[in-house]
Amino acid sequence: DAMVIQNPRYQVTQFGKPVTLSCSQTLNHNVMYWYQQKSSQAPKLLFHYYDKDFNNEADTPDNFQSRRPNTSFCFLDIRSPGLGDAAMYLCATSRDPTYEQYFGPGTRLTVT
Amino acid sequence: AQTVTQSQPEMSVQEAETVTLSCTYDTSESDYYLFWYKQPPSRQMILVIRQEAYKQQNATENRFSVNFQKAAKSFSLKISDSQLGDAAMYFCAYRSAVYGGATNKLIFGTGTLLAVQP
Repeated sequence: DAMVIQNPRYQVTQFGKPVTLSCSQTLNHNVMYWYQQKSSQAPKLLFHYYDKDFNNEADTPDNFQSRRPNTSFCFLDIRSPGLGDAAMYLCATSRDPTYEQYFGPGTRLTVT
Repeated sequence: AQTVTQSQPEMSVQEAETVTLSCTYDTSESDYYLFWYKQPPSRQMILVIRQEAYKQQNATENRFSVNFQKAAKSFSLKISDSQLGDAAMYFCAYRSAVYGGATNKLIFGTGTLLAVQP
């Protein structure tokens, strides 16, 4: 089945230790999004790639970076995680920005 | 800027009964999409139903239907014959239909947590 896959599902990292979250898709969608979702809150868009074009949200901290080496994969790098970065990170894809988004299962990040 | 408001943080319904979740939004655009997403505990967010603003007919997907009132900027979700598997957080979301980068991002409400009582 075509889908959005996120690995790992659970990630524990130490304060200040860089961490990378992974997202892959078999939908061949052009757009990939990264959201941060804290407990009982709505997802917050961090950035998205439209093909190779990177689009950062104005309020996304510099601590968050992303890479998209090819159509299928997109990575979220957190350079120096703080306690406040503990959250669920959701990856989503869409055919183009005007089409609906399909979400992955998320990676729950814990910072100790 | 567009905003989405869900005024019911929590709702509860008896199994087999009907429940309606409320959503209002604010926009100056005439062409847009509205969505209801379901997020079960520790599980994937999935699209429940979508509505195109230019369509007068309310969208329906099996037990799920919407009441779209464009003039009132209201977009409620009705779940009929509620099942235990309907228990989840429900998010209302808005997206512009005009192609143009940042304007196409999903704008979410704060969510309504639905409990289904057996």
